[in-house]
Amino acid sequence: AQTVTQSQPEMSVQEAETVTLSCTYDTSESDYYLFWYKQPPSRQMILVIRQEAYKQQNATENRFSVNFQKAAKSFSLKISDSQLGDAAMYFCAYRSRPGNQFYFGTGTSLTVIP
Amino acid sequence: SQTIHQWPATLVQPVGSPLSLECTVEGTSNPNLYWYRQAAGRGLQLLFYSVGIGQISSEVPQNLSASRPQDRQFILSSKKLLLSDSGFYLCAWTSSSMGQSRNTIYFGEGSWLTVV
Repeated sequence: AQTVTQSQPEMSVQEAETVTLSCTYDTSESDYYLFWYKQPPSRQMILVIRQEAYKQQNATENRFSVNFQKAAKSFSLKISDSQLGDAAMYFCAYRSRPGNQFYFGTGTSLTVIP
Repeated sequence: SQTIHQWPATLVQPVGSPLSLECTVEGTSNPNLYWYRQAAGRGLQLLFYSVGIGQISSEVPQNLSASRPQDRQFILSSKKLLLSDSGFYLCAWTSSSMGQSRNTIYFGEGSWLTVV
């Protein structure tokens, strides 16, 4: 089975600053999808950003962007101009293109300091 | 648009009692359905997934079971709860048809289960 690793259990950032959350994954497949999900205190899982492995261009959604390094199997999330509402648990996830299963990392808890 | 609902939102049950958590998806047909558990301070553990009525795949052997009696209904059950069953349970779905919604998983609001 594929594994997803988030090596930073906790991170903090000053409001308005930039923070990068790390994620690595292990797979032998060439075609897959990668995701970042946000889980605020309400516990609702919210899709932040999605990346298709065959696309070389890094995905961007407003203040959120990724650095996708396919050869290194790395998928980091950059949050720019951090806001108090960004405080949450962030999960990295992987899905193979033909498969039905999603694999999640253990999460990174992000604190935003006012 | 598609929506997913699960209930109850909060449940406190004694050890040895039965469990039934329900999940319903609206606005789509033949979705792939999932049950995840999130223990305190930990990641998401896939418990069951289903690609159709009556088709259930179990990922973790335990005293929980899942059923899919209707196309868009997914139920998580237990005959006798253990203390270790406490946690946050999430139902989720993906589309089985081609398109972006097939490649993204969407979650319900979650159910907090405390076994006492």
